[in-house]
Amino acid sequence: SQQGEEDPQALSIQEGENATMNCSYKTSINNLQWYRQNSGRGLVHLILIRSNEREKHSGRLRVTLDTSKKSSSLLITASRAADTASYFCATDAHGSARQLTFGSGTQLTVLP
Amino acid sequence: DVKVTQSSRYLVKRTGEKVFLECVQDMDHENMFWYRQDPGLGLRLIYFSYDVKMKEKGDIPEGYSVSREKKERFSLILESASTNQTSMYLCASSYQDIQYFGAGTRLSVL
Repeated sequence: SQQGEEDPQALSIQEGENATMNCSYKTSINNLQWYRQNSGRGLVHLILIRSNEREKHSGRLRVTLDTSKKSSSLLITASRAADTASYFCATDAHGSARQLTFGSGTQLTVLP
Repeated sequence: DVKVTQSSRYLVKRTGEKVFLECVQDMDHENMFWYRQDPGLGLRLIYFSYDVKMKEKGDIPEGYSVSREKKERFSLILESASTNQTSMYLCASSYQDIQYFGAGTRLSVL
């Protein structure tokens, strides 16, 4: 079952603009993570936010978490062509920190 | 840096063949996972393992089995490949909630 659902499914922006992707989930979580996947490659971990955190930053990434709405957003500021990739949220929906459930992803295209 | 290596990037097999997908990690992680990824469906968990010789079914284990004889190696086995198993297969290991992925194996079953 899909725990995390990303929105939008696809996003196309110009270089230098900000990109915002959203993730909704259904059950309570311990943490939520965002991963990035370049075309035809494996996923790479970007950032983890715990259920008792509301916002977290890492470089040009900003993640927010609203547990009351069961939603998270990933903001990429000052986007670059190299940010073109698919972005996935993942939740530990089974109550076990070792298993993750991934959404279907947002395809981000940054145009030069 | 964590390195998760999948033995093949691309694989083409015939229906009915037995297929082995190998995954090796070099960071002594206890937890390892196999996913398949299909367009529009995201990643779906096939099997996972918390320790040597230990395995648990994920969301879609039918048609698959796994083997974990050594801590660093987790193998996915398709006993009799079928065309609906054509997919991208991703292996991962994890430590402190974070998963580290291999580059993936794109399997085509003809």
